[in-house]
Amino acid sequence: DGGITQSPKYLFRKEGQNVTLSCEQNLNHDAMYWYRQDPGQGLRLIYYSQIVNDFQKGDIAEGYSVSREKKESFPLTVTSAQKNPTAFYLCASSTNVGGAEAFFGQGTRLTVV
Amino acid sequence: AQSVAQPEDQVNVAEGNPLTVKCTYSVSGNPYLFWYVQYPNRGLQFLLKYITGDNLVKGSYGFEAEFNKSQTSFHLKKPSALVSDSALYFCAVRAGGGADGLTFGKGTHLIIQP
Repeated sequence: DGGITQSPKYLFRKEGQNVTLSCEQNLNHDAMYWYRQDPGQGLRLIYYSQIVNDFQKGDIAEGYSVSREKKESFPLTVTSAQKNPTAFYLCASSTNVGGAEAFFGQGTRLTVV
Repeated sequence: AQSVAQPEDQVNVAEGNPLTVKCTYSVSGNPYLFWYVQYPNRGLQFLLKYITGDNLVKGSYGFEAEFNKSQTSFHLKKPSALVSDSALYFCAVRAGGGADGLTFGKGTHLIIQP
């Protein structure tokens, strides 16, 4: 069953801790993306990667880090430097064509306790 | 910089009536435009897109959208609303070229009343 998988669905973190969100896809897509969703603000781009071993900052990259060691995987680390990490995080993938639609995972809800 | 505006936070429509969810955009060059739908605590599902060609685009679940270059708009429409259409709808834009990230609007809550 092809698709994009995010885990875990819910994540709780203590202040000052780093946490890593998993995103895996078996769609053979070159491009992968991380978005953050907050109520009333839509989706904002954190990082994206168009090819293995390369990635670009999005609009709100501060306090986040990523890696792209494999085509199928694009993990996101929320570091202690992120001031307000509580949010819904969405991973997506697409082919490397401008008109291609992105496919989204089911999201990870991160709560800082 | 590119941007998307969805001027209505919420749209209320009676079941069976036509619905419209508005979207305007700003981008340099030719735009790629997308509509997505989100149900509570879920990811986004792709509905339709405009790349080039016919200004009226048809998509999933009976939805369609009309690209209007002069008004820089891409409004989502459906001739007859269903209660199950109630959800959060996002319009998104990408400038023509590579697969950079999409720029999303803030979303519009569509509520279909029985």
